[in-house]
Amino acid sequence: SYELTQPPSVSVAPGQTARIACGGDGLERKSVFWYQQKPGQAPLLVIFYDKDRPSGFPERFSGSYSDNTATLTITGVEVGDEADYYCHVWDNRSGGVFGGGTRVTVL
Amino acid sequence: QVTLRESGPALVKPAQTLTLTCSFSGFSLNTGGMCVSWIRQPPGKALEWLALIDWSDEKYFTPSLRARLTISKDTSRNQVLLTMTDMDPMDTATYFCARGLGYKDAFDVWGQGTTVTVST
Repeated sequence: SYELTQPPSVSVAPGQTARIACGGDGLERKSVFWYQQKPGQAPLLVIFYDKDRPSGFPERFSGSYSDNTATLTITGVEVGDEADYYCHVWDNRSGGVFGGGTRVTVL
Repeated sequence: QVTLRESGPALVKPAQTLTLTCSFSGFSLNTGGMCVSWIRQPPGKALEWLALIDWSDEKYFTPSLRARLTISKDTSRNQVLLTMTDMDPMDTATYFCARGLGYKDAFDVWGQGTTVTVST
């Protein structure tokens, strides 16, 4: 089955930049989606089709892809950005696949 | 405004069949491209996609659970049903339904989730 790999945690000071990586075989041929999930809440779509942001979502969130790794970048991190972040792709054999999630902690 | 809401039993016994309902508003599953997926999350663990049904009644399942899952829609009631047979304590999780704008698209709106515990 297809797998996506994310670091379990990322720590960042307020105002700094957080980068969350998502890796998988042949990722360059797939569209990557990113979700933010705060404790006790449903996930929220943050980035779609690798780098597009839903309307109204802060520009501090951006998506990119390079060298078989998709990256969610949060610039000027705020305390309110503390959450779990999941990447997601569709695979022809496995269907919907999520990464293991990355917990972002704001120091 | 698009909303989705999950409902179903909070507690099921091992070996029983779970039936969950996703009631939605603000869109129609008669509209070309629209989909609804079920996704679950065991306590403290990652999200896991389970199944999808689209506007044309095409259905997709995660391979590891395909034999236990059924998904159906009632477009007149704006509902999507998920059944999972032979429930096990490992199936204890929060179950979410979410809208997709197409197969292989993002889940752009999620329900709040319903927690299901499998225990005697």
